[in-house]
Amino acid sequence: AQSVAQPEDQVNVAEGNPLTVKCTYSVSGNPYLFWYVQYPNRGLQFLLKYITGDNLVKGSYGFEAEFNKSQTSFHLKKPSALVSDSALYFCAVRDAGGYQKVTFGTGTKLQVIP
Amino acid sequence: EAGVAQSPRYKIIEKRQSVAFWCNPISGHATLYWYQQILGQGPKLLIQFQNNGVVDDSQLPKDRFSAERLKGVDSTLKIQPAKLEDSAVYLCASSAQGLTGRDTQYFGPGTRLTVL
Repeated sequence: AQSVAQPEDQVNVAEGNPLTVKCTYSVSGNPYLFWYVQYPNRGLQFLLKYITGDNLVKGSYGFEAEFNKSQTSFHLKKPSALVSDSALYFCAVRDAGGYQKVTFGTGTKLQVIP
Repeated sequence: EAGVAQSPRYKIIEKRQSVAFWCNPISGHATLYWYQQILGQGPKLLIQFQNNGVVDDSQLPKDRFSAERLKGVDSTLKIQPAKLEDSAVYLCASSAQGLTGRDTQYFGPGTRLTVL
């Protein structure tokens, strides 16, 4: 069975500082990995995904994520946080082999402090 | 390009009543998903359609939940009768194909259901 873990319920970071939101996963085969952001009373918005190729994936709004197969991680990063980045972030995984539904993590609330 | 549309945005009902949600996916998207998002949790897939056929409904409580996607475009999700634990946000998403798992899912704004 596939699973994804977001070990931090909340991450606080000062505006202008780099941010990291952690995600680890478990699949039996190769993973497809996704990051989504959710603002209050809104649906999820796609940020980026890893399918294959370069381990460093660049996405929307200056976010990027690094796929690390040995550590089974896909941490979301941004060099300089903005107050407007404050939101709920979800990591998701799907096993690349056969049909599997996408499994979402429980989410990490990012709070950027002015 | 228009996004995924959902209605209503909010619904309050009493337990044992019935409720229906509507979703219109992005034009041309073959795959449609319904998710349930309980407060403090990630979205949980309820049902996935490929055109008008069901691909996965393994987590759909079929004794009370039903969904259809007639003509392979818009979809309705129904709960009858509702229970208190059904209080959640119901998210609809669509993707161009979906079966390969590579496609990005695009989400609607969701319907917040409160069951009293």
